[in-house]
Amino acid sequence: DTGVSQDPRHKITKRGQNVTFRCDPISEHNRLYWYRQTLGQGPEFLTYFQNEAQLEKSRLLSDRFSAERPKGSFSTLEIQRTEQGDSAMYLCASSPRGDEQFFGPGTRLTVL
Amino acid sequence: QQQVKQSPQSLIVQKGGISIINCAYENTAFDYFPWYQQFPGKGPALLIAIRPDVSEKKEGRFTISFNKSAKQFSLHIMDSQPGDSATYFCAASSKRNKLVFGAGTILRVKS
Repeated sequence: DTGVSQDPRHKITKRGQNVTFRCDPISEHNRLYWYRQTLGQGPEFLTYFQNEAQLEKSRLLSDRFSAERPKGSFSTLEIQRTEQGDSAMYLCASSPRGDEQFFGPGTRLTVL
Repeated sequence: QQQVKQSPQSLIVQKGGISIINCAYENTAFDYFPWYQQFPGKGPALLIAIRPDVSEKKEGRFTISFNKSAKQFSLHIMDSQPGDSATYFCAASSKRNKLVFGAGTILRVKS
């Protein structure tokens, strides 16, 4: 399968714990995006990378959130000190040029 | 303000009918308008997209109509099938950057 992959698919954690999600983009796509989707809503932009450079971060991305793309390939999104409001689907997308964005299956986070 | 307004919230169509979903935007800098289809528990899948230099784009049963002066665009699904039942999102972006999504339309096609 050459699509975008995300791991894990589901994560249940207790409030206050740290979690980390991984995204593997489509090979040779130099742009990678993170979005968050809550039930009944469209995805909301969090941050994006062009190669290893993080070029934009949303105001939604509080200081508890950090994202990396160390070698311009896979990316990780870490949430520290999780809160119940962080419960959502975290989606990763990759793009060769920034217009067509191809989404992964998402990681569903539940914070108890 | 970067916002995309989508309507209706939900839609029920008979098999073989035409499904129409509308979106309106405010930011005139938007230059790319995709539609995504999402099934429960899955990520959004790119369906069809248009740029403002054309007024219509057709791919199979899916057509986007674009009205630049009204800042509106719509998705038409011809010959709707039960397998088309899903949530549809319009989106917009500027200069190949982040996508701004509408709130989604839940489509149910009755057989």
